[in-house]
Amino acid sequence: EDKVVQSPLSLVVHEGDTVTLNCSYEVTNFRSLLWYKQEKKAPTFLFMLTSSGIEKKSGRLSSILDKKELFSILNITATQTGDSAIYLCAVDNNQGGKLIFGQGTELSVKP
Amino acid sequence: GAVVSQHPSRVICKSGTSVKIECRSLDFQATTMFWYRQFPKKSLMLMATSNEGSKATYEQGVEKDKFLINHASLTLSTLTVTSAHPEDSSFYICSARGEGVGYEQYFGPGTRLTVT
Repeated sequence: EDKVVQSPLSLVVHEGDTVTLNCSYEVTNFRSLLWYKQEKKAPTFLFMLTSSGIEKKSGRLSSILDKKELFSILNITATQTGDSAIYLCAVDNNQGGKLIFGQGTELSVKP
Repeated sequence: GAVVSQHPSRVICKSGTSVKIECRSLDFQATTMFWYRQFPKKSLMLMATSNEGSKATYEQGVEKDKFLINHASLTLSTLTVTSAHPEDSSFYICSARGEGVGYEQYFGPGTRLTVT
């Protein structure tokens, strides 16, 4: 059965800290891995990764994929209180666009 | 980016009644729409995949007679929760993907359903 596992499930840090969120997966037919940020409503798209070793970056956020070891990390540097959210990792297993989501990591950034 | 809307954003209904939730793609044609359910502090659980003009494909364990999905046009899909019970209370989110807007799924803002 295809699955996506995120760790940690929750994390509390202080402003200015750097955090690394982990996502590992087991799928039979990998197409891409996606990261989303969810605050009070629906998830907003952060990154889509398809190739190993190529870092994607957006401001203080960056992400990289390792298709050999079947995991991805999401880094957030110089965290701010506005980064507090649930971060979701999802994998497209090439079945008509279906996404398999991990449990999410709840990040809380304290002032 | 592409915009997906949901209506209503919040609904409270009594046990035994049915509730319809709409999901619309506002600026693109959504060939595929997905319906998810999310419990508090939990991840998104895919309920069904719907392609325009064809029957929805439900995930294992999701009752198709309980959660009726219709995708009659390229911009609208509806989820009807029939004979709702308190255990159906949840956050329901739709997403859409389509031509001309890249590969990603675009998520609606979600609908909070409370069954009393």
